[in-house]
Amino acid sequence: DTAVSQTPKYLVTQMGNDKSIKCEQNLGHDTMYWYKQDSKKFLKIMFSYNNKELIINETVPNRFSPKSPDKAHLNLHINSLELGDSAVYFCASTGGPVGDTQYFGPGTRLTVL
Amino acid sequence: KQEVTQIPAALSVPEGENLVLNCSFTDSAIYNLQWFRQDPGKGLTSLLLIQSSQREQTSGRLNASLDKSSGRSTLYIAASQPGDSATYLCAVEVNYGQNFVFGPGTRLSVLP
Repeated sequence: DTAVSQTPKYLVTQMGNDKSIKCEQNLGHDTMYWYKQDSKKFLKIMFSYNNKELIINETVPNRFSPKSPDKAHLNLHINSLELGDSAVYFCASTGGPVGDTQYFGPGTRLTVL
Repeated sequence: KQEVTQIPAALSVPEGENLVLNCSFTDSAIYNLQWFRQDPGKGLTSLLLIQSSQREQTSGRLNASLDKSSGRSTLYIAASQPGDSATYLCAVEVNYGQNFVFGPGTRLSVLP
C-alpha cells in the first residue's frame, strides 16, 4: 500500500511548456504539501493545503499553482516552465493540525530543456 | 526567519561505530523537530519526531535529543551498519503555522 504517491516519476519538457504533477495520499490526512529540492539538495516548502484551503505560500512564482480536487489529492500545475524550475518535487501529508509526522511521496524529477 | 543548519555535511565511518549527527536552529519557537532519512533518488522517511515539550525520542538504534532553548538537536546512531548509509535531514515545524524548515542534511556513509 503506497501512502503518498506521485505521478509522473520523471518529467522532461521544453521551456515555455505547461505541465502538471499529481499527488495522492491514502492516509486520510488533512494537510498536504509540495516541496522543491534543488540541485544542491536543499528542500524548501512551496505550498500547504489544509481541508482544501491554502495556508502557506512561500513566495513561489505565480506560475506555480496547487489544485486540490479533494482532501486526498494535491496537484501541482506549472505554467511557462523555465530552466530554473528543474528540480525534484516532493509531495507530503500530515494528519494533525500541528505536530504530526510528515509522510513523503517518492518525488518527481522535473527537467526543463 | 528560522534557519536550520546541520553538521557535519558528510561523514564516513566504519561499520559498528557509534555516531552523532548535529542539527541547529536559530529560533526556539518551534512545535517539534523531526529527523528524516533520504536514500538516493527516493523520498524522505520519518525516523523520529520530538515534540517541543520533549527532550528525546528513541527508536531501535536511534536516539534523538532536543534542547529547544539552545536551538540544538542530535541524532545518535548506535552500532552503525552499511544499511544506515543515506542522507539525514532534520526539520523544525515553526510556531506560526504548518510550515516546516529543513536543514541541508548530513550525508552518511557506513563502510563495511
